Amino acid sequence: GAVVSQHPSRVICKSGTSVKIECRSLDFQATTMFWYRQFPKQSLMLMATSNEGSKATYEQGVEKDKFLINHASLTLSTLTVTSAHPEDSSFYICSARGGHANTGELFFGEGSRLTVL
Amino acid sequence: DAKTTQPPSMDCAEGRAANLPCNHSTISGNEYVYWYRQIHSQGPQYIIHGLKNNETNEMASLIITEDRKSSTLILPHATLRDTAVYYCIVRPNNNNDMRFGAGTRLTVKP
Repeated sequence: GAVVSQHPSRVICKSGTSVKIECRSLDFQATTMFWYRQFPKQSLMLMATSNEGSKATYEQGVEKDKFLINHASLTLSTLTVTSAHPEDSSFYICSARGGHANTGELFFGEGSRLTVL
Repeated sequence: DAKTTQPPSMDCAEGRAANLPCNHSTISGNEYVYWYRQIHSQGPQYIIHGLKNNETNEMASLIITEDRKSSTLILPHATLRDTAVYYCIVRPNNNNDMRFGAGTRLTVKP
C-alpha cells in the first residue's frame, strides 16, 4: 500500500513554544491530506483537511490560528501547534488518499506524540 | 458523527477466527464499508473495504449483509499481534475525509 510518513514521532516542548509536525506521502502525490488528533483512550478526531496550494478546511471547534496547516507541495503537509499548552498534548496523525484515487482508502502516518510541559 | 455501531470490546483465542460485527443501518447506497485497525501508539492500518459483495484479502474477509445494514470483519486465524482497536467506517468512495467512531478493542489471548 501507499506509504505516509510523519516526523517527528515524539516531541516534548515547553509551554508557550511552537511545534511543527511534518507529513509526507513517500510514493504517491496527495492533493489532499488530513490531520487527526487522538487523546488517550479516545478515538481519532478529524481536525482539518489540508489542500495543496490552498487554505486548509478546519473542523468545528478547531482553532485555525493555533493549528497552522501548510500544504505547499503534493507530498508534504505540515501542522504547526502554536503557543502550545499542556492541554495540546496528544497523538497527532495525518493521512492521505492513496495513489489510486478511485479506490478510496486513506493511508495513515505513524503518528506524532506531542507532550507539552 | 459516526454512522456505525460496534461492541466496545471483544476477546478471541489465539488461532481461532475473530468475528467483529458492525451495524450501519442508515448506510446510503453510495457508501462503502471500510475497516481499519489501530495497534497501540500507531497510526490506523487499512484492512479491507466493500460496497455490497463480500470481500477477501490477505488480512481478512468482509461479509456484508444483503440489506447492507450490517457487516462482519473476519480474521480467520487470530494471532497475538492482531490485538488492536478495530474501526468500521462508512463513507462514499469519492468522499475525502474519514471519520472514526469508538471502534472495538479486540484482545487476542494465548
